[in-house]
Amino acid sequence: DADVTQTPRNRITKTGKRIMLECSQTKGHDRMYWYRQDPGLGLRLIYYSFDVKDINKGEISDGYSVSRQAQAKFSLSLESAIPNQTALYFCATSAPNTGELFFGEGSRLTVL
Amino acid sequence: TQLLEQSPQFLSIQEGENLTVYCNSSSVFSSLQWYRQEPGEGPVLLVTVVTGGEVKKLKRLTFQFGDARKDSSLHITAAQPGDTGLYLCAGATNSGGSNYKLTFGKGTLLTVNP
Repeated sequence: DADVTQTPRNRITKTGKRIMLECSQTKGHDRMYWYRQDPGLGLRLIYYSFDVKDINKGEISDGYSVSRQAQAKFSLSLESAIPNQTALYFCATSAPNTGELFFGEGSRLTVL
Repeated sequence: TQLLEQSPQFLSIQEGENLTVYCNSSSVFSSLQWYRQEPGEGPVLLVTVVTGGEVKKLKRLTFQFGDARKDSSLHITAAQPGDTGLYLCAGATNSGGSNYKLTFGKGTLLTVNP
């Protein structure tokens, strides 16, 4: 089983719908992240959390919200999806002293 | 804003050829990470280089961190189709205590043809 699990792996939705992407991890890391990946733009940080009570905006947080339900769970929500939020979304965890990331397998979201 | 420029953006070569991917910045990083991402998967860490001038080898892959810790290179010897993937570099800067900020390059998409 994967250490970092994302659900759903693929989702097609319509403009204006609320979408939640979920992430759970078994690595025991306190730090969790949400990134989006777009062709030609690389990985961009949406939100990150260093523990259950700590939530921080990344470089592209507008239109997104997150919830850290437990150490092992970090979900990303799109309150009202729009087409330019079509992308591949990755959850990741990191060890505290190195910053090295462990990624999930990704959630491909298409907003029509 | 820190930027990491990766080059080339795309690379298509024949099996057995050598190649080098570059990652350059005007900023100094405390460490630099290289990831490989295969289609349908998340990026997987290959190596972290920490010391200026450091060279690390992973089988046919050689990673080097520049003396000034602003740039890095990845050299693959005798590339194989299994090396196909997106190679990402990420520079880490310490943002206080044990907190690190990662800046990703946009990646190099490598295709190795049989």
